[in-house]
Amino acid sequence: GNSVTQMEGPVTLSEEAFLTINCTYTATGYPSLFWYVQYPGEGLQLLLKATKADDKGSNKGFEATYRKETTSFHLEKGSVQVSDSAVYFCALTDTGFQKLVFGTGTRLLVSP
Amino acid sequence: DTGVSQNPRHKITKRGQNVTFRCDPISEHNRLYWYRQTLGQGPEFLTYFQNEAQLEKSRLLSDRFSAERPKGSFSTLEIQRTEQGDSAMYLCASSPGVAGGNQETQYFGPGTRLLVL
Repeated sequence: GNSVTQMEGPVTLSEEAFLTINCTYTATGYPSLFWYVQYPGEGLQLLLKATKADDKGSNKGFEATYRKETTSFHLEKGSVQVSDSAVYFCALTDTGFQKLVFGTGTRLLVSP
Repeated sequence: DTGVSQNPRHKITKRGQNVTFRCDPISEHNRLYWYRQTLGQGPEFLTYFQNEAQLEKSRLLSDRFSAERPKGSFSTLEIQRTEQGDSAMYLCASSPGVAGGNQETQYFGPGTRLLVL
């Protein structure tokens, strides 16, 4: 079945450092890919999405490119802030009714 | 647009009791999803509604779980005879479910955290 694999955390960075969180997927067909963010005590918020190969999703300085040849959707940000500390989930839509299949999440900790 | 809301936000119950959660989706969203998230894991799909019709249920949804969406608006998730293993965050999401670029985007509520003692 479809699945998503994320790098294990926590990822610990200093403010203004470069961020990469790796995400690879296994899927049949042509899923859409998503990054969601979860701040402490809150629900999931959509961060960005890409619906077809070579699309780049971007939001709030975060970017991710849908790479079909490497089945990857790595999340990047050039300069992280303390406020970016959260858990980041990579996900894809299953075919058909489009339930989301999530990775296990990667916790990001940014220190001043 | 007030977003997806869920009630209650927290629920503590004793093993064997029944609990019911409510989800109010974004208005005019046709699709409604329930997910369960345990500590340190990503959310896992439970069930899905297109309007009032429940179209898919995960094998995670045992016979003790039932979900409804009367009139295609709000939805309820009931757990009967709760077990300690039911302790988790229960998330609801909705999506437009109509043709268009954003039909796949699911918007999540804040979740209901259940603790079964």
